Amino acid sequence: SQQGEEDPQALSIQEGENATMNCSYKTSINNLQWYRQNSGRGLVHLILIRSNEREKHSGRLRVTLDTSKKSSSLLITASRAADTASYFCATDAVRDDKIIFGKGTRLHILP
Amino acid sequence: GAVVSQHPSWVICKSGTSVKIECRSLDFQATTMFWYRQFPKQSLMLMATSNEGSKATYEQGVEKDKFLINHASLTLSTLTVTSAHPEDSSFYICSARDPGLAYNEQFFGPGTRLTVL
Repeated sequence: SQQGEEDPQALSIQEGENATMNCSYKTSINNLQWYRQNSGRGLVHLILIRSNEREKHSGRLRVTLDTSKKSSSLLITASRAADTASYFCATDAVRDDKIIFGKGTRLHILP
Repeated sequence: GAVVSQHPSWVICKSGTSVKIECRSLDFQATTMFWYRQFPKQSLMLMATSNEGSKATYEQGVEKDKFLINHASLTLSTLTVTSAHPEDSSFYICSARDPGLAYNEQFFGPGTRLTVL
C-alpha cells in the first residue's frame, strides 16, 4: 500500500535552530497531514495541506506541498526542547478512503 | 474539533486471552473508522477499514480471524484481538472520518497500549 517516506529518519539539532523534514509519496492525494507523536503517546495533529495548496503556516510550523514532485516538507523554526518527538506525514489518497503514514522522522532537540 | 475516544487506554493480558478495544466518535457519526497498529519505534500501519453495518476490509497480511472488527453503530467500532500472543503487543490507534466536514477529514483516538504476557 502507498506509504510516504520521510527523510531524514532521525535528526538532532541545537535548540533554537530550524528543523526541516521531508516527505515523499507515491500516488495522487486529496490532502497531506503532518502529525507529531511523543514517545509512547498518541498522535497530535499539526497541520493539513490540501492538494490545491502550496504552502501553509501555523505558528512556528511551515508546510509546503509540491504535487508535481509528490513531496512535502515540514519546517519548524526556532526549535525548542518540547519539539523533541517523532513526526509523521500522512497522505489521503484520491483513489480510496485510507490515510497512510510515512515512516517518520525522529527529531531530537539538544539543549 | 471532532473527538475520538478509545477504551481502554492500556491493557495487560495473559497469552491466549482475547482483548476488546473500543473506538468511539463522541460528537459526530462515523460511517467509516480505521484501525492502525504501531510497534515500538515504527510508524502506524493500517490494519483494516471498519464500515458501519458491513464487514471490515482488511489490509494485506492482517488476519481477519485474529483481529475481529465490529462496527455496530455510527459511533462505535470495536477491535477484538483473539487468542493474543506476546507478538501482538503493540499500540493500537483508531481513527474516524467525519463525513460532515469538508474534505472528509479523519480524527485519531489517543491509542490503546496492549501488552500480552
